[in-house]
Amino acid sequence: QLQLQESGPGLVKPSETLSLTCTVSGGSITSSDYYWGWIRQPPGKGLEWIGSIYYSGSTDYNPSLKSRVTISVDTPKNQFSLRLRSVTAADTARYYCARLLVGAAEFAFWGQGTLVTVSS
Amino acid sequence: QSVLTQSPSPSGTPGQRVTISCSGSSSNIGSNDVYWYQQLPGTAPKLLIYRNNQRPSGVPDRFSGSKSGTSASLAISGLRSEDEADYYCATWDDSLSGPVFGGGTKLTVL
Repeated sequence: QLQLQESGPGLVKPSETLSLTCTVSGGSITSSDYYWGWIRQPPGKGLEWIGSIYYSGSTDYNPSLKSRVTISVDTPKNQFSLRLRSVTAADTARYYCARLLVGAAEFAFWGQGTLVTVSS
Repeated sequence: QSVLTQSPSPSGTPGQRVTISCSGSSSNIGSNDVYWYQQLPGTAPKLLIYRNNQRPSGVPDRFSGSKSGTSASLAISGLRSEDEADYYCATWDDSLSGPVFGGGTKLTVL
């Protein structure tokens, strides 16, 4: 069974960079049918797609965050990572990593999510 | 403001049938498959319906999905207390070149 696990700091200061890593187990990140994505959910609010990456390194980003986001992949480690620059309190959210079917909104496997708070 | 608009939060008693709707446009629902997610309190979202009306293994047939034009619906029949959750629709948006979610609908089981 595929499993995803987010890791990274739970507290980030304003204007700094949020960095998270998602470790995939029970399957290969190099599967040709899937992208690997990040989704966030502010407290009490809905889901927002941040961006996705293919194992080759090809990326897609939400235009609303594109200027601040970088997603990278490390295939030998079966991991992919998120960096969100210049964070503010509005970036406080639970961040999920998930597997995304190519060209569809099918997120069949999710990590448990990690809460990141932006505060000084 | 979400790209997809979901109906207001419904409520129902055990055994009833409720419907949640999701409205989009030609660049998203109108040209792509719709997916539904169930998020129980304190947990990650779970895929409930894929490709408009297909249920993953383990999802009860009380849950059904449909799509027509630029709108989609999720129906839950034989309502149970454990169905109390947030429900999200999602689809691919050709203009965005990425997935988009509805704002979510909170289902209350009285």
